[in-house]
Amino acid sequence: EVQLVESGGGLVKPGGSLRLSCAASGSTFRNYDMVWVRQAPGKGLEWVSTITRSSSHIYYAESVKGRFTISRDNAKNSLYLQMNSLRAEDTAVYYCARNFEGWGQGTLVTVSS
Amino acid sequence: QLVVTQPPTASASLGASVKLTCTLSSGHSTYAISWHQQQPQKGPRFLMKLNSDGSHNKGDGIPDRFSGSSSGAERYLTISSLQSEDEADYFCQTWDTGIPFGGGTKLTVL
Repeated sequence: EVQLVESGGGLVKPGGSLRLSCAASGSTFRNYDMVWVRQAPGKGLEWVSTITRSSSHIYYAESVKGRFTISRDNAKNSLYLQMNSLRAEDTAVYYCARNFEGWGQGTLVTVSS
Repeated sequence: QLVVTQPPTASASLGASVKLTCTLSSGHSTYAISWHQQQPQKGPRFLMKLNSDGSHNKGDGIPDRFSGSSSGAERYLTISSLQSEDEADYFCQTWDTGIPFGGGTKLTVL
């Protein structure tokens, strides 16, 4: 069974940056597309970004395009999300997921002055 | 543009069954969806992938009490023998530009 553990969340000022990480274990990480999904306080789930197995294809939600960068290191079984130019509306719990079929517990990102 | 719609709330009694609905917008009735459960203060949990013909593949460890079915643009999640731990938010999600999620249904077990 896949286990995913996110880290790197925290409090950041508007315009600041954060890098989220997702460590995978219990499965063959390199065989799966990976995604980031976020959930603003009291709201539903919002897809953020997808990266295919070999990083050959990358997709972003319009709301984060040009500000966020997804990447992965298959040798380290790790997924990343570099978030720049953060806005208050980026405040959310960020989840990594293995092709939407295995989820982490999330890491909270709060953007506030 | 594909829109996924879920009623915001549902309720059923302990031990009873409940059928949750996810509706795909016009022209998208052949799309598969996935159902996810989110218990309070927890991350989502994948329940199943549900095809337009009603066939479905459940996630690891998902009890037989959870089943899926389809009719036209409607996708259903049926939970039988409701237990207290089934009280949760249930989200459907499909694959299209922007990977749309439904707004979720909050299930209350009475």
